[in-house]
Amino acid sequence: EAQVTQNPRYLITVTGKKLTVTCSQNMNHEYMSWYRQDPGLGLRQIYYSMNVEVTDKGDVPEGYKVSRKEKRNFPLILESPSPNQTSLYFCASRTPERLNEQFFGPGTRLTVL
Amino acid sequence: SQKIEQNSEALNIQEGKTATLTCNYTNYSPAYLQWYRQDPGRGPVFLLLIRENEKEKRKERLKVTFDTTLKQSLFHITASQPADSATYLCALGGGGSSASKIIFGSGTRLSIRP
Repeated sequence: EAQVTQNPRYLITVTGKKLTVTCSQNMNHEYMSWYRQDPGLGLRQIYYSMNVEVTDKGDVPEGYKVSRKEKRNFPLILESPSPNQTSLYFCASRTPERLNEQFFGPGTRLTVL
Repeated sequence: SQKIEQNSEALNIQEGKTATLTCNYTNYSPAYLQWYRQDPGRGPVFLLLIRENEKEKRKERLKVTFDTTLKQSLFHITASQPADSATYLCALGGGGSSASKIIFGSGTRLSIRP
C-alpha cells in the first residue's frame, strides 16, 4: 500500500530536549515536505526536499532542521524545542509526474512544555 | 506577500444541496490549484487539481472552477451528504520564484446536516 508514515504520532516533551520526528514514504517520490498546522493559520511549509541531499527552507524554518540521506526518509529535527513549536506536523511526498499531487502522512501532534 | 483566503471558516448546509467553497488569492500566479479534504486528526487527502489554462474540472459530485483573472477558484459539491462533512483546503503551486512550492489556505470547515 502506497503511504507516508510518521513517528511518533503523539509526543509531549519539555523545552530544550532534542527530538526527531521520522517520515518515510514507499512511493519513490522525489519531493518531500514538512508542514505545521496551527488553528487559523493553515498548513505552513517548514522545509522541503527535491531529492536526496537537496533541501531548502519553506516559510517557517526557524528552529527546525532536516536531512535527506535516502530518498524514502525525511526526518524533522528540533534541536532545542520551545513551546511555540507546539503544533500538528505533517510530512508529505509527491512526484512531478503526478502533477504534484501530495500524499500526506497521518500527522504528529507535538506538545512542548 | 502571497496570500490565500478561503471564503469562510465554516459553512453549514442542508443535505442534498450544493456546497460552494471559495478560494481567493493575491500576489501570486499559480500554474495549478489543488483541493484537499481533511478529516479531524488526519492528514489532508488530495481531491482535484486544475491547471491555469483550464476553466473547469469535474470528478463525480465534485466540480472545480479556476478564474485566473479574478484570482479565484470555486469548489462545488453537488447532492451533498453528511459524509462530505470535513475541512476543505485549497492549495496553489507552480508559481512565484519556486516552481516546486505549494502554499495552502487555512481551510473551510463544511458541515452537512441531515
